[in-house]
Amino acid sequence: EAGVTQFPSHSVIEKGQTVTLRCDPISGHDNLYWYRRVMGKEIKFLLHFVKESKQDESGMPNNRFLAERTGGTYSTLKVQPAELEDSGVYFCASSQFSGYNEQFFGPGTRLTVL
Amino acid sequence: AQSVTQLGSHVSVSEGALVLLRCNYSSSVPPYLFWYVQYPNQGLQLLLKYTTGATLVKGINGFEAEFKKSETSFHLTKPSAHMSDAAEYFCAVRVYNFNKFYFGSGTKLNVKP
Repeated sequence: EAGVTQFPSHSVIEKGQTVTLRCDPISGHDNLYWYRRVMGKEIKFLLHFVKESKQDESGMPNNRFLAERTGGTYSTLKVQPAELEDSGVYFCASSQFSGYNEQFFGPGTRLTVL
Repeated sequence: AQSVTQLGSHVSVSEGALVLLRCNYSSSVPPYLFWYVQYPNQGLQLLLKYTTGATLVKGINGFEAEFKKSETSFHLTKPSAHMSDAAEYFCAVRVYNFNKFYFGSGTKLNVKP
């Protein structure tokens, strides 16, 4: 069974540009999460999808970030326009059920904004 | 509010020595507690979790952790370190009925030959 995959693995962009990160969850997992780790600090929650609906987006930093999950399968996270402080590692995770079940994480996308 | 503190961003042990990675949490309600490990260029992998029941939890690769409510701690231990244990370890807390994790800042474990 394939795990959570993320694309690209690395992205280097200039300040003001747009970047789109993609996450493919484990097949059959209705729950999809985005997290971000900035500068070696703690991993912070961004948002949670249940199928195509945003269940909790309390962690989204500002309106430059837009997450979508059309059709309830893969998800994209767009940053437009990117700022220097957006640099970090963006993790995606998925789970079949909510509650205390394990979340399965992808390898992350390392975003560098110059 | 929930938070997690991991003492020591870097821990170095010799192969065969005890591994102890510290985690303290803050939670207004009984938490679910997790340890994840990240090997280079890989995603976070679940080591073990505590939800309810026995407070000593055993995980993969010989790791275990004990939930101590009075100390609000969930330290990770392994009796004998192996070179393959070198990785970054994350403690996380999750509150019942909420789906998001709160992570600590991570501890990088170095194992010396």
